[in-house]
Amino acid sequence: QVQLQQSGAELAKPGSSVKISCKASGYTFTSYYISWIKQTTGQGLEYIGYINTGSGGTNYNEKFKGKATLTVDKSSSTAFMQLSSLTPDDSAVYYCARDRGYPYWYFDFWGPGTMVTVSS
Amino acid sequence: DTVLTQSPALAVSPGERVTISCRASESVSTLMHWYQQKPGQQPTLLIYLASNLESGVPARFSGSGSGTDFTLTIDPVEADDTATYYCQQSWNDIFTFGSGTKLEIK
Repeated sequence: QVQLQQSGAELAKPGSSVKISCKASGYTFTSYYISWIKQTTGQGLEYIGYINTGSGGTNYNEKFKGKATLTVDKSSSTAFMQLSSLTPDDSAVYYCARDRGYPYWYFDFWGPGTMVTVSS
Repeated sequence: DTVLTQSPALAVSPGERVTISCRASESVSTLMHWYQQKPGQQPTLLIYLASNLESGVPARFSGSGSGTDFTLTIDPVEADDTATYYCQQSWNDIFTFGSGTKLEIK
C-alpha cells in the first residue's frame, strides 16, 4: 500500500534551517510528483511547490521561493524540503503528498505531517 | 491567486443530507478537488476533478459543479464524518485551498 513517511518534529531557532524528509513506499516513486503543503491555524493549507521525482525539476509558489528548497533522492525514494532563514511564521505542520501531476494536480496520498516549531 | 470561499461550519444530525459549498473567485473549469481532515490527522482525498469519487471512499460522498461553484454532498451523514472539509483548485499554477468547512454531527 502507498505510504509516505515523514521525519519527526523539529524545534529550531530563528535564522536556522531545517530539512524534512518524506520517504515513499508501495508504488513506483518516479511515476508521481511529490508536493509540499503548509498548514497553520491562521492561514490554513498553503501550497509550497512540487518536485518532479524523475527529473528533479521543481515549481514553487512565489510566496515560498527563497524559503523552501525541494530535492529528491531517487535511490531511497525520498523527497526532501529544506526551510531556511526560519522565523516564527514558519512554525507549522508540513505535509508531503503524492501528486497526480499534469494535467490534474491533486494529492491522492498525504504523509502524516512534520511539525516545525521556530522559537528562541 | 484564485480564492476559494467555504462556509466555516455546519452542524447536522446523523442520517441527514449535507451539502458543503466552495466558490472560486474565477473559473477553474472542473479542476476542483475535495479533502477530508479529521482532528490530528492528515487530509485524505475524497473527490477529484469535481465529481470523481476516489477509490475506497464511501458512495455517500459525491461532488458536483464546474466553473466557479462546487458542492460536496454527504448523504446520509454518519457520526464518523465529523471533520473539516477542504476544496482545492488546480486550474492555476499556484494551487489554492479553501479555508475549510468544519462539519459537526449533532
